[in-house]
Amino acid sequence: DGGITQSPKYLFRKEGQNVTLSCEQNLNHDAMYWYRQDPGQGLRLIYYSQIVNDFQKGDIAEGYSVSREKKESFPLTVTSAQKNPTAFYLCASRHLWGGGVNSPLHFGNGTRLTVT
Amino acid sequence: ILNVEQSPQSLHVQEGDSTNFTCSFPSSNFYALHWYRWETAKSPEALFVMTLNGDEKKKGRISATLNTKEGYSYLYIKGSQPEDSATYLCASGANNLFFGTGTRLTVIP
Repeated sequence: DGGITQSPKYLFRKEGQNVTLSCEQNLNHDAMYWYRQDPGQGLRLIYYSQIVNDFQKGDIAEGYSVSREKKESFPLTVTSAQKNPTAFYLCASRHLWGGGVNSPLHFGNGTRLTVT
Repeated sequence: ILNVEQSPQSLHVQEGDSTNFTCSFPSSNFYALHWYRWETAKSPEALFVMTLNGDEKKKGRISATLNTKEGYSYLYIKGSQPEDSATYLCASGANNLFFGTGTRLTVIP
């Protein structure tokens, strides 16, 4: 079955450590996205990528980094510079060139990161 | 940044009742309006993507309408069932989708 896999489901880190969240998709989607959810807020975009080796900052990119070396993979690194890293992180992907920006997002199951 | 708002924040209805919720978004520079259903312990699932003013879409007992001139969309659920219990998200934008905070629906058997 095609889908998006995020791992791990739960992640615990000490403050000051960088941590990388994995996102893999086998849907042959062009674009991939990272969102963050905090209580009482809507999903906020961290980074997105429309093509391999290219990515753009979203609204809250500070303290995060990404790479897109393969079409299938879009890992997110939460660096020690991120002031409030504890959150629920969702990865998503979608076709671009067929449906354009009107294509729906397909989401992974998320990673809950806790930094203490 | 687009200001996307949803109301109500939460809703409890009896099984069999019909219900609706609202998503409001800036009407200028409109590209698309998305609706997603997010059940507990699952990933958000796309319901509709709407682009044209006056558009209406339907999937089973769920339907949605779009008014791009005044900047709102309604989601309707006819004859709510317990399995409809979820958080319903709307989002607007192009490459960058801006999400509302969602409407949490609980259907009481």
